[in-house]
This record gives sequence, C-alpha cells and structure tokens, in this order.
Amino acid sequence: EDKVVQSPLSLVVHEGDTVTLNCSYEVTNFRSLLWYKQEKKAPTFLFMLTSSGIEKKSGRLSSILDKKELFSILNITATQTGDSAIYLCAAPPGGSNYKLTFGKGTLLTVNP
Amino acid sequence: DGGITQSPKYLFRKEGQNVTLSCEQNLNHDAMYWYRQDPGQGLRLIYYSQIVNDFQKGDIAEGYSVSREKKESFPLTVTSAQKNPTAFYLCASSIAQGWTFFGQGTRLTVV
Repeated sequence: EDKVVQSPLSLVVHEGDTVTLNCSYEVTNFRSLLWYKQEKKAPTFLFMLTSSGIEKKSGRLSSILDKKELFSILNITATQTGDSAIYLCAAPPGGSNYKLTFGKGTLLTVNP
Repeated sequence: DGGITQSPKYLFRKEGQNVTLSCEQNLNHDAMYWYRQDPGQGLRLIYYSQIVNDFQKGDIAEGYSVSREKKESFPLTVTSAQKNPTAFYLCASSIAQGWTFFGQGTRLTVV
C-alpha cells in the first residue's frame, strides 16, 4: 500500500524563523512528489519534484528530493504570518493514473 | 478563466438525506477526483475517474456514489449510508505527471 508520512504534524514558530517540513514516502513505481499549501480552502500547488538532489526554489520556499532515502523536505526561510497554512505532501503511484496519495499534512502557525 | 468550480460552498443536510455536490472543470482534464478532508487526517480519496463513463473507488468510497457522464462534470452524492458525512470535500482534476488542481471545496455539515 502506498504511504506518505509527514512530520511534524504541527509546528508553531515566530516570524523570521526558518522551518523545515519533512515528507517520507513509499510509493509503487515512484515518479514524482508534490508539495501543496492549503490556507482556508483549495490546496495550491507549490512544487513538483522528480529528480533527486535538485533543489526547486520559489522566493523564500525551497524543496529538495532524495530518491535514495525516499524523502523530501520543504524549507521556508524568514517566515511570515502569511505562511501559516497546512502544507501537504503527495505522490502519485506509477502507471497510467495520477491519483495522489497524501500525507496528513503539517499545520504551520507563524506568530508575529 | 480556466478552473474547477465546486458548489455549493456550504451545505447542510439532515440525517438520512442524500445530497449531491457539484464539480465542474473547464481545463479539459481527463481525470477527476473527489477527496474528503477531516481535521488531522489529510486528504483521503473517495472516487476517481480517468475517462468519461468510467470511475473507480478510492480508499473511502463506502456511502458515496459518483457519475461521469460528461468530461467536465463529476458530481458526488453523499448517501444516507455514509455514517459520518460532516467533512470538507475537495474536487480535483489532473493532466499527466500528477499535476493536480483543486476546487475551492464544499463544507458539508449534518444537522
């Protein structure tokens, strides 16, 4: 059975802190790993990672994949209150369908 | 604008009633999905459909039903057989390589 595990499940930090969110996976015929940010409603896409060791970056957010150790991390530097959200990690299994297996998410709270 | 539209945003249902949640997409995506989200549970897959007139059960399909008569539409019916239907429901669609996009969700409350 495909599995995606995120840690920690929740995290409280102060503005300006740097945070690292973890995602480990066991997915049949792994192809890619996705990170989403969910504030109030729809998860919004952050990154898709397919190659090991290549960092993807968008502003203060960055993510990297380690296919040997089967995990990914999402880093947020200089956190702001607007970064408060649930961060979801997901992976589609191999084959012809693209349904995602999600982790439980990390609830990040950034306090001023 | 292209996107996924879910309606209604909020829905209240009395116990024993069936309700149908609407999901429409104009992204021309072949695949569509329904997920359920409970606090601390992440997203769990209810049903998915890769092509018109075909759909498969996900991990928690009991008490739900779907149809896929048109490519653009994938409605979800929450039946009275669903024992704990109060949740946030997300519809999604995707193209190749796992690029999955979500609607804004419907919050269903049983009263």
